[in-house]
Amino acid sequence: TQTVSQSDAHVTVFEGDSVELRCNYSYGGSIYLSWYIQHHGRGLQFLLKYYSGNPVVQGVNGFEAEFSKSDSSFHLRKASVHWSDSAVYFCAARGMPNYNVLYFGSGTKLTVEP
Amino acid sequence: EAAVTQSPRSKVAVTGGKVTLSCHQTNNHDYMYWYRQDTGHGLRLIHYSYVADSTEKGDIPDGYKASRPSQENFSLILELASLSQTAVYFCASSDTEQFFGPGTRLTVL
Repeated sequence: TQTVSQSDAHVTVFEGDSVELRCNYSYGGSIYLSWYIQHHGRGLQFLLKYYSGNPVVQGVNGFEAEFSKSDSSFHLRKASVHWSDSAVYFCAARGMPNYNVLYFGSGTKLTVEP
Repeated sequence: EAAVTQSPRSKVAVTGGKVTLSCHQTNNHDYMYWYRQDTGHGLRLIHYSYVADSTEKGDIPDGYKASRPSQENFSLILELASLSQTAVYFCASSDTEQFFGPGTRLTVL
């Protein structure tokens, strides 16, 4: 059974701080990982993805994520957050047997204090 | 310009009534999806479709039907709405990434 877990339901930081949002997965075989952001009352928007190659991938607005096969992780990071980064962040994964179905984690709510 | 739209944006339904949620995409994507999101939780897949006139069950299909009359349109149907189906419903289309609509807030009373 494929699972995606986000251990932190809430993370609060101050503007200008760095942040890491954690994601761990349980999958067999090749895996495709991504992060989405959901601002309050809105739909999800794609941030970044990893399938192969360089394990550090860059996304929009200064976000990056690092894939680790040994840790089964795909953590999202940002060096200096802005108040507008306050949102819920979802990690998602897809793989065999159906690459067209995404499995989402439960989300991490990031609050950036002024 | 929004590529995935949903209607209605919110709806109040009575228990036992029929509810139809509509989704329209202009991305020219083959795949479309319906998810539900409960407060404080992630998304769970209800139904999806990869071609017109065909639908597939997701992880939580019970109590829901889906219809894909064309590549652009994908509907979610609750024949007998129940209290437990109160949630926010999201539609998405995809090629390699998923593009989401703004959501429909459904309240069943």
